Amino acid sequence: AQKVTQAQTEISVVEKEDVTLDCVYETRDTTYYLFWYKQPPSGELVFLIRRNSFDEQNEISGRYSWNFQKSTSSFNFTITASQVVDSAVYFCALSEAYNNDMRFGAGTRLTVKP
Amino acid sequence: DSGVTQTPKHLITATGQRVTLRCSPRSGDLSVYWYQQSLDQGLQFLIQYYNGEERAKGNILERFSAQQFPDLHSELNLSSLELGDSALYFCASSPSGSYNEQFFGPGTRLTVL
Repeated sequence: AQKVTQAQTEISVVEKEDVTLDCVYETRDTTYYLFWYKQPPSGELVFLIRRNSFDEQNEISGRYSWNFQKSTSSFNFTITASQVVDSAVYFCALSEAYNNDMRFGAGTRLTVKP
Repeated sequence: DSGVTQTPKHLITATGQRVTLRCSPRSGDLSVYWYQQSLDQGLQFLIQYYNGEERAKGNILERFSAQQFPDLHSELNLSSLELGDSALYFCASSPSGSYNEQFFGPGTRLTVL
């Protein structure tokens, strides 16, 4: 069965520090999709990125970057030069191609202090 | 704003009662998903509907049911409520399957007293 592990429960950094949020997944499927979502204090879940299992290219979007490594079943998320507005809970999620059950990790609470 | 709307925003009720949560998906999206977020269980997938038909079931209790109507809005019915049902209930939508990114509504916070 699919599983997502976010081992870091809470991370606290000072503004402008770089921070990496870890995500390790388990699946038996060869076709699957990985996602990151952000949940700010206001509570809504905001989609950040989607990756399919055939695309191992790293992605950069502004201060955000993602490192997908099939060899270690990891899909890590790095925020460069963190800002207070980055404070949120970040969820990694996995969806298998033929299973409509999207599985979320437990989330990592990131606090960025000024 | 994701384009997904949920009503009501907050709901306070008593044990044993029944409530209905409503969700309108983004324009053009055929799939609707329901999730429950609680402190002890995290974010759990409950059920998915696609174009009016149930597509997938997750950890949904028998006391809970859902449906998707012809106009694609969806309702989640929670009955015989227990204290442990207090949680944030999210609806999400996507164009088709869960391999698409899902866009989440603002959630309904249910408090069972």
